Amino acid sequence: DAEITQSPRHKITETGRQVTLACHQTWNHNNMFWYRQDLGHGLRLIHYSYGVQDTNKGEVSDGYSVSRSNTEDLPLTLESAASSQTSVYFCASQLGMGTEQFFGPGTRLTVL
Amino acid sequence: GENVEQHPSTLSVQEGDSAVIKCTYSDSASNYFPWYKQELGKRPQLIIDIRSNVGEKKDQRIAVTLNKTAKHFSLHITETQPEDSAVYFCAAMGQAGTALIFGKGTTLSVSS
Repeated sequence: DAEITQSPRHKITETGRQVTLACHQTWNHNNMFWYRQDLGHGLRLIHYSYGVQDTNKGEVSDGYSVSRSNTEDLPLTLESAASSQTSVYFCASQLGMGTEQFFGPGTRLTVL
Repeated sequence: GENVEQHPSTLSVQEGDSAVIKCTYSDSASNYFPWYKQELGKRPQLIIDIRSNVGEKKDQRIAVTLNKTAKHFSLHITETQPEDSAVYFCAAMGQAGTALIFGKGTTLSVSS
């Protein structure tokens, strides 16, 4: 069955380290998104992509980067992890404009 | 960019009562408004959505209304059940076209 997966599901890292969170979908969706979820802030958009080689900044993009080299994957990189980036990260994908976004299971990241 | 405000942040009702969650948005060009339900420890899942050419949409015990003039939309849950307890998020499609901007969420508790 088609699905969207994230790895790792849990990650503990230290301040200053580079971290990459993986997101993989098998629906052949053009649009992919990264959100972070923090108590009291809901889901905040980090970066998104409309297709291969396309990336766009969201509401809270500072300190994060993404790349889209194929349709299936949108890895999220924290260049130099900070304690403020401790959060739950959700990846999502969408076939096209105004259609349902399907979320991955989430990655819980702790930066010590 | 788009900004979505959601109220209330918490809502407690008795089983069988109705629950209403309200959202306002800022971008008059937004035309897609989904609602997501997130159970504890799970990923957000779409429960209902509405487009700007429709004023109301129903699906069993759930309904959503949209007032484009006032730029607000609401989720109505009738005959609430304990399994309705979850965090509910409203969202609006932002200026970028496909990137959803979410409200901060409403924690609904249904007591039996």
